[in-house]
Amino acid sequence: RKEVEQDPGPFNVPEGATVAFNCTYSNSASQSFFWYRQDCRKEPKLLMSVYSSGNEDGRFTAQLNRASQYISLLIRDSKLSDSATYLCVVNVFNDMRFGAGTRLTVKP
Amino acid sequence: DTGVSQDPRHKITKRGQNVTFRCDPISEHNRLYWYRQTLGQGPEFLTYFQNEAQLEKSRLLSDRFSAERPKGSFSTLEIQRTEQGDSAMYLCASSLAWTGGEQYFGPGTRLTVT
Repeated sequence: RKEVEQDPGPFNVPEGATVAFNCTYSNSASQSFFWYRQDCRKEPKLLMSVYSSGNEDGRFTAQLNRASQYISLLIRDSKLSDSATYLCVVNVFNDMRFGAGTRLTVKP
Repeated sequence: DTGVSQDPRHKITKRGQNVTFRCDPISEHNRLYWYRQTLGQGPEFLTYFQNEAQLEKSRLLSDRFSAERPKGSFSTLEIQRTEQGDSAMYLCASSLAWTGGEQYFGPGTRLTVT
């Protein structure tokens, strides 16, 4: 079993749609959690940290369920510019474990 | 530009040759990470430094791979006796120790072993 698992997609959605990505992790000692975004042939960039209480940044909402070892990312009112691969990242004692990513394409 | 930089951006080498990559982190960042990424996969952790100390190495990192960060600033990653399976994007990232994982990535070095 992979340490961080994500639905690879692809998710193809129209502009304005709401889309949700899920991620599960296997190591209960995981300490911190993140979503990164990676555009085609570019480096990953931090999208947002994920806190136990859940957190929101504009159209993006991240949630963490430690009991279920589950992380989610919700994107509301999708824009064409949201098209990218979204990487779930789990920090286990400073060893960053990345999921394989979920690919999103937003279409006009 | 005060971001993370990597050099070279692309490297083509023949199997069996040695290659060395360089990473210059964001100047005030004390942590530096190396990752490898292949198509369709997320970055795979290789090793990380806090200042000049190499604190962790992935068990996947064979003895052909070595990394240094001699003065706690830039870092080099060397691959000896390259194999075709080493073909990948090698990414460097830096962070502040207290941020718990908010890393800033460089553009990567794409290695092709022929």
